[in-house]
Amino acid sequence: DQQVKQNSPSLSVQEGRISILNCDYTNSMFDYFLWYKKYPAEGPTFLISISSIKDKNEDGRFTVFLNKSAKHLSLHIVPSQPGDSAVYFCAAGRIQGAQKLVFGQGTRLTINP
Amino acid sequence: GAGVSQTPSNKVTEKGKYVELRCDPISGHTALYWYRQSLGQGPEFLIYFQGTGAADDSGLPNDRFFAVRPEGSVSTLKIQRTERGDSAVYLCASSHTGGVSYEQYFGPGTRLTVT
Repeated sequence: DQQVKQNSPSLSVQEGRISILNCDYTNSMFDYFLWYKKYPAEGPTFLISISSIKDKNEDGRFTVFLNKSAKHLSLHIVPSQPGDSAVYFCAAGRIQGAQKLVFGQGTRLTINP
Repeated sequence: GAGVSQTPSNKVTEKGKYVELRCDPISGHTALYWYRQSLGQGPEFLIYFQGTGAADDSGLPNDRFFAVRPEGSVSTLKIQRTERGDSAVYLCASSHTGGVSYEQYFGPGTRLTVT
């Protein structure tokens, strides 16, 4: 049962343009969502999060949008830079209990010069 | 300050052997998590510690897997009678309990290969 899904295994974007990464979830009990970025041979690095009571959170070039009715979230990166090339994971969690994260499969983003 | 560290970075072992993977969380973080990441997948939850106790071990795949955190800081994940299917990257993460963004800080992982 894949509770968090990233249906695009890869995405290629030109430098300077907008990158949009998508994520869908099935469990309406999730209270918060996070995006992580991962380089090879490194652990995931936190990028940005959003509470389920909000629909948008912005931090510099990164904005996360949450559509609860559609159970969908997206990460926008504007403008895209070569250093943004990495694998991006969305994750979801609940405030109650262990606060363990449920991850999607990841999307490999490549920024082309 | 120092981030989460994990040792060894790589471990190759033969099928049937016992292995221990170590995690040093960020100082002061009371919550510690172990995840496992297989090729092409996202990390999957294994076990969660709050202080010294395993508060949730629902992700451990079977009784060959065990983890401890005796003093509420360093944690060791132990795998008995390793199988080839145990090959994966084992990630450790720590966090403040009830932090504002519920962010977990991950270590670089231990790549386990069972031959």
